[in-house]
Amino acid sequence: DVKVTQSSRYLVKRTGEKVFLECVQDMDHENMFWYRQDPGLGLRLIYFSYDVKMKEKGDIPEGYSVSREKKERFSLILESASTNQTSMYLCASSQGGSNQPQHFGDGTRLSIL
Amino acid sequence: AQSVAQPEDQVNVAEGNPLTVKCTYSVSGNPYLFWYVQYPNRGLQFLLKYITGDNLVKGSYGFEAEFNKSQTSFHLKKPSALVSDSALYFCAVRDGHYGGATNKLIFGTGTLLAVQP
Repeated sequence: DVKVTQSSRYLVKRTGEKVFLECVQDMDHENMFWYRQDPGLGLRLIYFSYDVKMKEKGDIPEGYSVSREKKERFSLILESASTNQTSMYLCASSQGGSNQPQHFGDGTRLSIL
Repeated sequence: AQSVAQPEDQVNVAEGNPLTVKCTYSVSGNPYLFWYVQYPNRGLQFLLKYITGDNLVKGSYGFEAEFNKSQTSFHLKKPSALVSDSALYFCAVRDGHYGGATNKLIFGTGTLLAVQP
């Protein structure tokens, strides 16, 4: 089975801090994704990556950056955390190809105080 | 622009009764459609997908979904609901018109399924 592991289930940080969320997948997938999930808004794509060192902006990239130095690891960075970035963050990975499902980690619930 | 709608925020059904969770979509090309389920404090789990072929797709945990091109719908169904099916369900679409290796999906806002004993 595909395993997508997010480093923290719960995280509390302060406004202005630089925050790192880590995601690792064990299936040699080409594609990796970062979403945030908010009640009533569903999942919104922040960034995705289709290869090492490659990244593309999703629908809500402002305030975020990403890093993919190795194929199995995709990091989301909040450059200067703000309270409106309090959310559930979900990482996903998939094989290349347009009909492949995405496989999700269990999420990181991030609170910015 | 691609979009997907889940018109019901919540669906209530008694255990043993059939259930339907609705999804409609809008794409410019042929749609690739997916259903996911999310249990509390967990990530999304893939249930089933429609890419091409038979309009009735069978998936995990006894779920199935029917693709209807004329109504642009992809409703999730199960003949007999279980209390353990209670969860948040997401429909997602990708526009097959656009090429490229990535499978960027557009997700609906989710439908909470509550199955009463």
